[in-house]
Amino acid sequence: DADVTQTPRNRITKTGKRIMLECSQTKGHDRMYWYRQDPGLGLRLIYYSFDVKDINKGEISDGYSVSRQAQAKFSLSLESAIPNQTALYFCATRKGGKETQYFGPGTRLLVL
Amino acid sequence: GIQVEQSPPDLILQEGANSTLRCNFSDSVNNLQWFHQNPWGQLINLFYIPSGTKQNGRLSATTVATERYSLLYISSSQTTDSGVYFCAVDSGGSNYKLTFGKGTLLTVNP
Repeated sequence: DADVTQTPRNRITKTGKRIMLECSQTKGHDRMYWYRQDPGLGLRLIYYSFDVKDINKGEISDGYSVSRQAQAKFSLSLESAIPNQTALYFCATRKGGKETQYFGPGTRLLVL
Repeated sequence: GIQVEQSPPDLILQEGANSTLRCNFSDSVNNLQWFHQNPWGQLINLFYIPSGTKQNGRLSATTVATERYSLLYISSSQTTDSGVYFCAVDSGGSNYKLTFGKGTLLTVNP
């Protein structure tokens, strides 16, 4: 089984709808991250969490919110989806600062 | 924040050729990783290499932290090496957030 899983893997939604993307990990890592990737660009950080009680905004947090339900679960919500949020979304985890960061398989989101 | 520049942006090779991808960064780093994004979008960890040299099969990487650059070497390239290669870093201190470069798109033709 994969160490970092994301659901759904693909999603089509309409403008104005609320949508949640979920991430689970079995690696036992405290640090979790959400990124988005737009065509031709690298990944950009949306939110990150260093433990269950710690949530921080990344460089592009507007229009998004997150919830860290447990050490193993970190969810990303789009409160009111808009077409320019169409992107590939990645969840990632890391054990500590000077450690390898591991990525989930990604969720392809299309907002019509 | 820290800046990450990758070169070249695009690279086309014939199968069997060797290549070198470069990553320059603007500050000291805690973490530097190389990833391969395959045509299905999956990000595959290649190396965790904030300094020094590592090798894994046909791939190797070197980071010269004092000069703020890293190199990824691909030898005897195969069509399955095609995809985008990303360098990502986080800077010193407690800023444990990876910043990505824009990637190098590698196409290996048979």
